[in-house]
Amino acid sequence: EAGVTQSPRYAVLQEGQAVSFWCDPISGHDTLYWYQQPRDQGPQLLVYFRDEAVIDNSQLPSDRFSAVRPKGTNSTLKIQSAKQGDTATYLCASSFRLGANYAEQFFGPGTRLTVL
Amino acid sequence: GDSVTQMQGQVTLSEDDFLFINCTYSTTWYPTLFWYVQYPGEGPQLLLKVTTANNKGISRGFEATYDKRTTSFHLQKASVQESDSAVYYCVLGDMLSGSFNKLTFGAGTRLAVCP
Repeated sequence: EAGVTQSPRYAVLQEGQAVSFWCDPISGHDTLYWYQQPRDQGPQLLVYFRDEAVIDNSQLPSDRFSAVRPKGTNSTLKIQSAKQGDTATYLCASSFRLGANYAEQFFGPGTRLTVL
Repeated sequence: GDSVTQMQGQVTLSEDDFLFINCTYSTTWYPTLFWYVQYPGEGPQLLLKVTTANNKGISRGFEATYDKRTTSFHLQKASVQESDSAVYYCVLGDMLSGSFNKLTFGAGTRLAVCP
């Protein structure tokens, strides 16, 4: 079974440029997450979806970041006007909801973003 | 809010040494706690899970026990191998979301095992 795939694997931008990250979750997984992982830190949740609906985007810097999952499968995270502070690895994860029980999150390899 | 503290940023051991990584947490709810491991160039993967019901988790030779009195959650392994070199994250699951979708990661402990 294929895991979570992400593209591109690396991106280098100048400040002010825009960038999009793409995620293909594990087939059948209804929940999709985007995390930001600054260098030498743990991942921090930005947003997560159940099917096509945003469940929680409270940690997403809404003025420059946006995320969509229009058909409840693939997802795109976009940064408008990137800043040096956005330099980090962006991880996508997916899981299959099991009612009230814990559903393991499976992570992709991430996209490493450098903003110069 | 929920928080997780890992004080050991880096641990260097030799093969067959004993591993102990400490973690403390803060939450207003009964916690579900996880250890995730991240190898270079990969995303984190679940190593083990511990709930208030069982207090202890074991996986791949690793063992974790949580202590409600001290709000600590330690990871240990009797004999490490070079292949265990990775970053280990202590993670707290948010019970409020019902299915632990919101995970709070610690800063991570980088383990280097020398042959």
